[in-house]
Amino acid sequence: AQSVTQLGSHVSVSEGALVLLRCNYSSSVPPYLFWYVQYPNQGLQLLLKYTSAATLVKGINGFEAEFKKSETSFHLTKPSAHMSDAAEYFCAVSPNNNAGNMLTFGGGTRLMVKP
Amino acid sequence: NAGVMQNPRHLVRRRGQEARLRCSPMKGHSHVYWYRQLPEEGLKFMVYLQKENIIDESGMPKERFSAEFPKEGPSILRIQQVVRGDSAAYFCASSPSGGLAEQYFGPGTRLTVT
Repeated sequence: AQSVTQLGSHVSVSEGALVLLRCNYSSSVPPYLFWYVQYPNQGLQLLLKYTSAATLVKGINGFEAEFKKSETSFHLTKPSAHMSDAAEYFCAVSPNNNAGNMLTFGGGTRLMVKP
Repeated sequence: NAGVMQNPRHLVRRRGQEARLRCSPMKGHSHVYWYRQLPEEGLKFMVYLQKENIIDESGMPKERFSAEFPKEGPSILRIQQVVRGDSAAYFCASSPSGGLAEQYFGPGTRLTVT
């Protein structure tokens, strides 16, 4: 069975500071990994995904994530936070097969950006 | 191109009533996933459907819950005899194919059971 753990349900940073949102996964096979962002009262939007190509993945809005197999981690970073980055972020994993992309989500991290 | 549409956005039901949640996938998408988000939790997979077929319902509660995706019309998630524990946000996502095709999420339906 797969699972995802996001350390820190709330993270607060100052505008312009580094954003680091942590994600660790558990999977018996090499997984596919995703980060989604959810703005209030909206659905989830894909930020980036890892599908066993390059371990450093660049996404939209200046975000990137690095897949580290030895640490079973897929942390999300952004060098400089903007006020518009305030949202909830979800890390997700899916099985490495073609049977469908059923996502298993972490509990989410709410990012707050202070002026 | 309209995104994934869900209606209603908010639904209030009394215990014992039925709830019907609708999801219209993006144009050209024939794969639909339903997820449930309980308060203060992440999304949990419920069911994966293609047109007229349930592919995987491993996340569906065994009783009271059902889903369909007919040849014509939206996908429907039906909850019979709702209980307070069913209160949650229900999201559907659609994709043009299976495998790793990106899922596009709708805005969700927030169900409140009183």
